[in-house]
Amino acid sequence: DIVMTQSPDSLAVSLGERATITCKSSQSVLYNSNNKNYLAWYQHKPGQPPRLLTYWASTRESGVPDRFSGSGSGTDFTLTISSLQAEDVAVYYCQQYYESPRTFGQGTKVEIK
Amino acid sequence: QVQLVQSGAEVKKPGASVKVSCKASGYTFTSYDINWVRQASGQGLEWMGRMNPNTGETAYAQKFRGRFSMTRDTSITTAYMELSSLSSEDTGVYYCAKDGPRHVELGNWGQGTLVTVSS
Repeated sequence: DIVMTQSPDSLAVSLGERATITCKSSQSVLYNSNNKNYLAWYQHKPGQPPRLLTYWASTRESGVPDRFSGSGSGTDFTLTISSLQAEDVAVYYCQQYYESPRTFGQGTKVEIK
Repeated sequence: QVQLVQSGAEVKKPGASVKVSCKASGYTFTSYDINWVRQASGQGLEWMGRMNPNTGETAYAQKFRGRFSMTRDTSITTAYMELSSLSSEDTGVYYCAKDGPRHVELGNWGQGTLVTVSS
């Protein structure tokens, strides 16, 4: 199975400041045939289902604010929240869909400092 | 609009089985795979498996193979998951999630079903 490792496990950021989460896969999730990274990011708030933020590592889902951006390729990926808002408090997960099982990272909890 | 509505909370005894339903609407049910993801108590998200509602073809995470099954009834656009030999470690919230337009990302989610395993 592909192991997804996120860091940090939690972080506290001041309102308006940048939050950066990294995700590392145990093997590349880049498909050479189409040059796409098979990685998504999700936001999960208590009492709600998870919400898709980005797919193909960096394509923002419709309706997701542009302060959320994904980047990276191969085995190393980043989710950046450029200016943290109060409503962004949540747990964030990366997930690879390169192969089955479609494993998630352990999650990163983002809080307000 | 796309909706996935799951069945209500369940309380089960250790060793029992639980069956959760996921009623889909707002799209062609047979065109997109349904995934099941759980959040065990105090844990992160865990992908359990996926099913093609058109063919019935399934893929399971090894961890759950043997006691986890996915089925569907296309006449009522409903997917089901059943987990057997429950233990306290299975307590948590179970989500169904539909593939998005690219058939890879989890674009739409059910509201979640809390399963509590307790003697």
